[in-house]
Amino acid sequence: GENVEQHPSTLSVQEGDSAVIKCTYSDSASNYFPWYKQELGKGPQLIIDIRSNVGEKKDQRIAVTLNKTAKHFSLHITETQPEDSAVYFCAASSVSGGYNKLIFGAGTRLAVHP
Amino acid sequence: GAGVSQSPRYKVAKRGQDVALRCDPISGHVSLFWYQQALGQGPEFLTYFQNEAQLDKSGLPSDRFFAERPEGSVSTLKIQRTQQEDSAVYLCASSPRQGGTEAFFGQGTRLTVV
Repeated sequence: GENVEQHPSTLSVQEGDSAVIKCTYSDSASNYFPWYKQELGKGPQLIIDIRSNVGEKKDQRIAVTLNKTAKHFSLHITETQPEDSAVYFCAASSVSGGYNKLIFGAGTRLAVHP
Repeated sequence: GAGVSQSPRYKVAKRGQDVALRCDPISGHVSLFWYQQALGQGPEFLTYFQNEAQLDKSGLPSDRFFAERPEGSVSTLKIQRTQQEDSAVYLCASSPRQGGTEAFFGQGTRLTVV
């Protein structure tokens, strides 16, 4: 089955710096890669996703890149702000049985210091 | 609100007690997932519904776990004879897509078995 590895487990940056979180996956059939942000005491919030037919996607300060050959994808946050502090999860899925079952990484705790 | 709603937010159960966790998905969402999130870990898949049909229950840890969505909207996750290892946050997610992509999570129910 699918396995998703996520690095680093913790990341500390100064406000205004960029942050990069990387994930690798094992199943070459995976075709959907969302990123979630989870704040303390809340459920995961979908912040951006990418499908396997696209190499890069941007949404304001957030971008995701996908390298299908190497089976890795990354989240890039530019001009970080204290409110970006949270745990970020990557996930991968493939269509099996007619639906996408998400397999999550272990998470990255991002701290943005003013 | 228009988001996924879960109740109760917190549940303390004595070992051996039965519990029922409720999920109200976003209105009209076809797909519904249950995930289990242990402390410091990413969510792990439990089960998937497409409308009222439970298409995948491969992630349910044991036959003490049971989920239903009888009318294709509200879902209930039931755990019988709870054990300490059942302590976790139980997350529900819904998606407007039959394939289950672009899933939106609720805040979760934190279950503590004592």
